[in-house]
Amino acid sequence: DAKTTQPPSMDCAEGRAANLPCNHSTISGNEYVYWYRQIHSQGPQYIIHGLKNNETNEMASLIITEDRKSSTLILPHATLRDTAVYYCIVRVAPIDTGTASKLTFGTGTRLQVTL
Amino acid sequence: GAGVSQSPSNKVTEKGKDVELRCDPISGHTALYWYRQSLGQGLEFLIYFQGNSAPDKSGLPSDRFSAERTGGSVSTLTIQRTQQEDSAVYLCASSLAWGKLYEQYFGPGTRLTVT
Repeated sequence: DAKTTQPPSMDCAEGRAANLPCNHSTISGNEYVYWYRQIHSQGPQYIIHGLKNNETNEMASLIITEDRKSSTLILPHATLRDTAVYYCIVRVAPIDTGTASKLTFGTGTRLQVTL
Repeated sequence: GAGVSQSPSNKVTEKGKDVELRCDPISGHTALYWYRQSLGQGLEFLIYFQGNSAPDKSGLPSDRFSAERTGGSVSTLTIQRTQQEDSAVYLCASSLAWGKLYEQYFGPGTRLTVT
């Protein structure tokens, strides 16, 4: 699986957009980009994923560069409840192979949303 | 709808005792995962169940750990003769199969403390 690099921490003012970058320069053609977050003392939470097109759901938007070597998770209007560690991972196409679907997280980006 | 539930939320046990941790996945999710997370650490995969297939036990740290999934739904993780190094948050996640294995939905976890 491709390695990802994220900044260790970021701050964002409440109500502003939070843009969290992720580098995955060794990503291969069949690998998806997934984002999870973990709020303190809670289990991880799936946010969004994409292959090459930009994606949007009720939680966030995912922008993937044309060369797919980096991506940005965008929380359009950050709130205090978005304070969490955000994890970017890349995985091969989600076929039904058990061992391929285990999640592993790196150190992630600790996002602090402030008033 | 209802998310993944786990019980108990907290468990304190004495070294050498056996413990059972329970997970109720989201209804209809055929894939179920157990992870553990030690303080300040990343996710450690333990075991994976997919439908009626043999579970992937490759992450279990020792033969003191076992898990079962009855009727394709509820799962129980059992730790025998607990040790202090077993202290961690044990997380259960579930997902749909067939293309959604990395969209994992996590329960709140069981915090296990071995004294």
